[in-house]
Amino acid sequence: DGGITQSPKYLFRKEGQNVTLSCEQNLNHDAMYWYRQDPGQGLRLIYYSQIVNDFQKGDIAEGYSVSREKKESFPLTVTSAQKNPTAFYLCASSPSRTGVGNTEAFFGQGTRLTVV
Amino acid sequence: SQQGEEDPQALSIQEGENATMNCSYKTSINNLQWYRQNSGRGLVHLILIRSNEREKHSGRLRVTLDTSKKSSSLLITASRAADTASYFCATDAAGGGNKLTFGTGTQLKVEL
Repeated sequence: DGGITQSPKYLFRKEGQNVTLSCEQNLNHDAMYWYRQDPGQGLRLIYYSQIVNDFQKGDIAEGYSVSREKKESFPLTVTSAQKNPTAFYLCASSPSRTGVGNTEAFFGQGTRLTVV
Repeated sequence: SQQGEEDPQALSIQEGENATMNCSYKTSINNLQWYRQNSGRGLVHLILIRSNEREKHSGRLRVTLDTSKKSSSLLITASRAADTASYFCATDAAGGGNKLTFGTGTQLKVEL
């Protein structure tokens, strides 16, 4: 089955710890994204990547880091510098054809991170 | 920053009625998309409309786009209880590097 997989589904972190959220896709998509969603709110872009070994900051990148060493993988690390990390994190991927408009995004099922 | 703002924030209707949601955005776009999210789940793509299109249909969905007003609407006809979800618009800004920016969403509740 083609798709995008996030793991784990639920994650608990102690204050001061770094945690890494996994995102894997087998859709052969160039672009991948990380979003954060707080209760009752929309999605805010953390980081995105158009191609392997390249990524850009989104609107709320502070306290987060990413890597894109392989096309199919885009892990997100929530560092201890992120002051309010409890949220629902969504990963997405899309074909990357800037200007053509073929940018439908496919989403994973999300990881719910709670700081305890 | 949020590119799109949906209106209303919440909408409650009876099964069989039509539901209309609106989205306003700020900058020129390549396309605008609508997504659906069931509670606690990922988003599912519904429909994409390009900047040179004015209306698009997909099953019970009808989307319009007015680039002069920087606004779009999503109409769900003959709603069903299973349509209960949050609906988001997302914009692919012109020159924005293929970055999708989402609005704040409309929570739709369809009651039996």
